[in-house]
Amino acid sequence: GNSVTQMEGPVTLSEEAFLTINCTYTATGYPSLFWYVQYPGEGLQLLLKATKADDKGSNKGFEATYRKETTSFHLEKGSVQVSDSAVYFCALSVTGRRALTFGSGTRLQVQP
Amino acid sequence: GAVVSQHPSRVICKSGTSVKIECRSLDFQATTMFWYRQFPKQSLMLMATSNEGSKATYEQGVEKDKFLINHASLTLSTLTVTSAHPEDSSFYICSARGPDASTDTQYFGPGTRLTVL
Repeated sequence: GNSVTQMEGPVTLSEEAFLTINCTYTATGYPSLFWYVQYPGEGLQLLLKATKADDKGSNKGFEATYRKETTSFHLEKGSVQVSDSAVYFCALSVTGRRALTFGSGTRLQVQP
Repeated sequence: GAVVSQHPSRVICKSGTSVKIECRSLDFQATTMFWYRQFPKQSLMLMATSNEGSKATYEQGVEKDKFLINHASLTLSTLTVTSAHPEDSSFYICSARGPDASTDTQYFGPGTRLTVL
């Protein structure tokens, strides 16, 4: 079956630090990969996505590259801000099945 | 654009009662909506796929008679937890596929926290 594994949190960083949140997946076929972010009290928002191998998704300074050889989609940001504090979810969808399979979520706390 | 709302955001009920949760796409039509359940510190688990004008498709292990889903219009899907018990306490989240049918992007509601006493 399909599954997503992401690093457990919380991840606590100082402002301007480099961020990596690891995500690996298992899927049949060639999935699309997503990162969603959930700010306190809000719904999940799409942060970025990639639909095929070697694609790089990017948004708001965050990046993730679809690595087929390592089945990974790690999230990175060069310099985090306090406003980036949230829960980040890695997810996949497989063609023909429109629902998403989520990782467990990683809470990021950025301190000033 | 592409905003999804849920109501209520929080509900507390007594064991044995039924609770209805509404999910609305505010500025687009959604032929397909999804209902997820999230336990503390765990992943979102898909419960069912709600299709406008037809019966919902439930995931394995989800009781369709307990979790009634009605997708009566292109902007509204409801989830009714019937005869709720404390083990049904959870965070319920809906999503809808965006107006661009060519993408896999889903838009999520803010969630409903259900507590059954």
